[in-house]
Amino acid sequence: ETGVTQSPTHLIKTRGQQVTLRCSSQSGHNTVSWYQQALGQGPQFIFQYYREEENGRGNFPPRFSGLQFPNYSSELNVNALELDDSALYLCASSLHTGSEQYFGPGTRLTVT
Amino acid sequence: AQRVTQPEKLLSVFKGAPVELKCNYSYSGSPELFWYVQYSRQRLQLLLRHISRESIKGFTADLNKGETSFHLKKPFAQEEDSAMYYCALKTHGGYQKVTFGTGTKLQVIP
Repeated sequence: ETGVTQSPTHLIKTRGQQVTLRCSSQSGHNTVSWYQQALGQGPQFIFQYYREEENGRGNFPPRFSGLQFPNYSSELNVNALELDDSALYLCASSLHTGSEQYFGPGTRLTVT
Repeated sequence: AQRVTQPEKLLSVFKGAPVELKCNYSYSGSPELFWYVQYSRQRLQLLLRHISRESIKGFTADLNKGETSFHLKKPFAQEEDSAMYYCALKTHGGYQKVTFGTGTKLQVIP
């Protein structure tokens, strides 16, 4: 059984650019959640996708958007990057919306 | 709005001493509460959830709705318990939202 994987591991972007982060969920999992973790903070919930539909969202602006594909992998897109977007982005998958989440290793995004 | 508060950034205890990591929450509905742990250089992982009422690695946590708390306890700390611990709250059903606390670093001194 393969765990949750994320790509890329690290990324450096310039303010104003756009970025796409990718997540492959654990086999059989139909729910994916994305989190932003700034240095010294707990993970902040961005949104959750269940069977290709967004079914939960935190307090993030619309420039944070996502997709879930038929194989349940997912993308997080961030437009018009700001310096404060620099953080570790975590993806977590679960068997369904009410079950245990399994986290990926994260993507470290640096915006300069 | 829901909120999770972990008042201690760092908790240092000696090996064999009892541990209590504090977590308080505010939420108008009926919450689902979790403790997550992150060991050095490892991924964030679920430690326990209140609905399962399990004891994992000797840790327990009881949901106290009157005090809106979900403190994590262990009677005798082990060195391998040193890690970052996060308390989290999830809303039920429908459109979901998860809120994490800022975390407490537990340091067990040999």
